[in-house]
Amino acid sequence: NAGVTQTPKFQVLKTGQSMTLQCAQDMNHNSMYWYRQDPGMGLRLIYYSASEGTTDKGEVPNGYNVSRLNKREFSLRLESAAPSQTSVYFCASIRQGLAQDTQYFGPGTRLTVL
Amino acid sequence: GESVGLHLPTLSVQEGDNSIINCAYSNSASDYFIWYKQESGKGPQFIIDIRSNMDKRQGQRVTVLLNKTVKHLSLQIAATQPGDSAVYFCAEALSGTPLVFGKGTRLSVIA
Repeated sequence: NAGVTQTPKFQVLKTGQSMTLQCAQDMNHNSMYWYRQDPGMGLRLIYYSASEGTTDKGEVPNGYNVSRLNKREFSLRLESAAPSQTSVYFCASIRQGLAQDTQYFGPGTRLTVL
Repeated sequence: GESVGLHLPTLSVQEGDNSIINCAYSNSASDYFIWYKQESGKGPQFIIDIRSNMDKRQGQRVTVLLNKTVKHLSLQIAATQPGDSAVYFCAEALSGTPLVFGKGTRLSVIA
């Protein structure tokens, strides 16, 4: 049981390049989330998927797209990376819906956009 | 190195002392609260949670206190150890909505 896994761990992009951050969980959780973490800003929600087949915008969705590929996988795509997207990205999952329950986090992807 | 945690408030505590980390939450309607611990280079890790129908909950060496009147949450760590050094986040939620995280506090344990 690996919990929540993320790939890659580190990535450097040039402005305008695209990339997809991968996230997978093996806990049979229904809901998955993408956050970004910047110095002094805490965790801010980008997008979430309350259940397979649904996605919703969070606090800071601009410049990102997501795909809930199946129950296990939730990917985050940057179509045209900008320096403002330099951040640490965390994926998380929760057992069901938006129920008040513990979120489990992945180890993070550290992205630098030059 | 880890860039997360720059510009955060810092609490320095002597090893063996008790730590109290405070959090002011924003939404008076929030009914669920969690404390997370984040070590350098890792994702947040669940510590303890509390629902709004309670004002205190205890775990192993940790206690969370909730004061809804002033929208204040605190995390108490007993007999603080070097391994407790990390950034601590509180998060709040209203039923049916995602968690909203605070900015975090860095706990530094002095051996």
